[in-house]
Amino acid sequence: GENVEQHPSTLSVQEGDSAVIKCTYSDSASNYFPWYKQELGKGPQLIIDIRSNVGEKKDQRIAVTLNKTAKHFSLHITETQPEDSAVYFCAVRPGGYQKVTFGTGTKLQVIP
Amino acid sequence: DGGITQSPKYLFRKEGQNVTLSCEQNLNHDAMYWYRQDPGQGLRLIYYSQIVNDFQKGDIAEGYSVSREKKESFPLTVTSAQKNPTAFYLCASSSRQGWDTQYFGPGTRLTVL
Repeated sequence: GENVEQHPSTLSVQEGDSAVIKCTYSDSASNYFPWYKQELGKGPQLIIDIRSNVGEKKDQRIAVTLNKTAKHFSLHITETQPEDSAVYFCAVRPGGYQKVTFGTGTKLQVIP
Repeated sequence: DGGITQSPKYLFRKEGQNVTLSCEQNLNHDAMYWYRQDPGQGLRLIYYSQIVNDFQKGDIAEGYSVSREKKESFPLTVTSAQKNPTAFYLCASSSRQGWDTQYFGPGTRLTVL
C-alpha cells in the first residue's frame, strides 16, 4: 500500500514568519494530495488540495507544491498568525483511485 | 446549512457494553467513512461505504460494525470485542466514489470507564 511520511512532527515559528511542512509518498501513480488543518478537539478541515496534473496551487497565505519526480509535496504558510496554530495532516490518494492514506501530522505553534 | 454531524460529542461506556456513534450528512454525498484517531497519531480507517447498502472493512475493522441503509446515515457500533476503544472517532463523506475529497464531521470522543 501507499506509504506517506510527514515532517516535521512539530514546528514552532514566530508570528509573521513562514512555515513549511513536507510529505513524501511511495506510489508514483498517486493523483490527489489534500491538506487538512485540525484544531484541538475538532474534526480535520480541508484547507487546500492539489491534483497530479498541477505543480503548485495558492489560496491567499497558503500554497501547496508538488514534485512528482521526487514524490513529495509541501504545504507553505506565509505570514503566520496565532490562529494558524493547529495540527496539519497531509494525505495521498494512490493511483487507481484507491484508499487515501494520511500522514502522521505536524503540530504547528505560532508564537506571538 | 449543509454539513456532517456526529453525535454525541462525548460518550462514556462501561467495559463490555456496545455503543453506537451517529453520523449524518446532508451534502448528498455517495461515500462515507469512519476513522479512529489516537492521541498524537494520524487517522486510521475503520470502515467505508462507497454507496448505499454496501460497505467495506478498512485497516482496523476488528471490534467494529457499520450499516448503510440510507444515503445520509452511516452509524458505527463499537462492540465489546474492541479491546481498546477509547479514542476520537471521525466520520467523513465525499461526493463521489473513488476516494475523492473527504469532508469531516466534528468527531465523537469515546471513553471506556
